[in-house]
Amino acid sequence: AQKVTQAQTEISVVEKEDVTLDCVYETRDTTYYLFWYKQPPSGELVFLIRRNSFDEQNEISGRYSWNFQKSTSSFNFTITASQVVDSAVYFCAYRQGSSNTGKLIFGQGTTLQVKP
Amino acid sequence: AAGVIQSPRHLIKEKRETATLKCYPIPRHDTVYWYQQGPGQDPQFLISFYEKMQSDKGSIPDRFSAQQFSDYHSELNMSSLELGDSALYFCASSHNTEAFFGQGTRLTVV
Repeated sequence: AQKVTQAQTEISVVEKEDVTLDCVYETRDTTYYLFWYKQPPSGELVFLIRRNSFDEQNEISGRYSWNFQKSTSSFNFTITASQVVDSAVYFCAYRQGSSNTGKLIFGQGTTLQVKP
Repeated sequence: AAGVIQSPRHLIKEKRETATLKCYPIPRHDTVYWYQQGPGQDPQFLISFYEKMQSDKGSIPDRFSAQQFSDYHSELNMSSLELGDSALYFCASSHNTEAFFGQGTRLTVV
């Protein structure tokens, strides 16, 4: 069965520090998708990024960057120059690629607190 | 851009009562998902629909049922509510790609 592990339960940094959130997954599937979602204190789940198993290119979007490495089954998320507004729970998620309607399997989430 | 709409946003029910949660997916999205998120936990998949047919089922109690209607909106019906059903219930929709989530319905059972 597939599994997503976010070993860091809570991370606390001071504003402007860089922070990396780890995500490790387990699967025997050859085709799959990986995602990151942000859940701010208001509670909604905000989509951040999707990666498919055939695309190991790293991606950068503003202060956010993602490092996908199939060799280590990891999909880590880095926030550069963190800001207070980045404080949230971040979830890494997995979806089988055999179906476009597949459910998401979430990691346990990492609570990021950015202090001013 | 239109997002996933859930109603109500908050709901308080007593034990053994019934609750109905509604979800209006993003237009042209053909798949709807329901997730349950307990306090301090990750979202857990309940059930999904593709083109109005149930496509997958997760850890959904027998007391819960759901359906997707001809206009693609979906409803999650919860009966004989228990204290442990208190949670944030998310609906999400997708069309071939990532799932977009609604703001959730916070259900409190007292």
